[in-house]
Amino acid sequence: NAGVTQTPKFRVLKTGQSMTLLCAQDMNHEYMYWYRQDPGMGLRLIHYSVGEGTTAKGEVPDGYNVSRLKKQNFLLGLESAAPSQTSVYFCASSTAGGTTEAFFGQGTRLTVV
Amino acid sequence: ILNVEQSPQSLHVQEGDSTNFTCSFPSSNFYALHWYRWETAKSPEALFVMTLNGDEKKKGRISATLNTKEGYSYLYIKGSQPEDSATYLCAFGTGTYKYIFGTGTRLKVLA
Repeated sequence: NAGVTQTPKFRVLKTGQSMTLLCAQDMNHEYMYWYRQDPGMGLRLIHYSVGEGTTAKGEVPDGYNVSRLKKQNFLLGLESAAPSQTSVYFCASSTAGGTTEAFFGQGTRLTVV
Repeated sequence: ILNVEQSPQSLHVQEGDSTNFTCSFPSSNFYALHWYRWETAKSPEALFVMTLNGDEKKKGRISATLNTKEGYSYLYIKGSQPEDSATYLCAFGTGTYKYIFGTGTRLKVLA
């Protein structure tokens, strides 16, 4: 009963470094999402995927790239981290997009110094 | 740009009080309205998904109503308990498979 698992849970990066956040789900969900959560801003959609091999931009995609090579995994990459990307990142998945409930990972707290 | 508004931003209530929050969303191209409960240091968890105008959902002391024609949903908590303290998020489910979240209502129930 793992559900949605995010790796890592915490990370500190220096400005300009790169990293990849991994989201893995074991519920055979088609749809996967990456959100960032900042104080007073709520959850903002970065990128999403409607199936294996597909990705699409969300509300705040700049500075991020994603890949969905396998149905169960959705990777979020930061090529050159900036302090503005300090945030808590949440991955979510669902069976049928916006009409069914989303299941969330536990979040990744990223600090860029 | 789709906008989902929640009010109030935060509130404190006494144990045993009943309370309610509001979520406003676009009334056109409606697909679904979600409510999530988000406890500190945890992940959001779904409470309700509503898809039809007039829907009413209930789970224990928590219930929700939906008015798609005017674009609002209410979440009610009857007899609030300290364990109800959390942020309550609503999300608008779009026809392009996305969830647009409001900024949440932070509830603190005082014992």
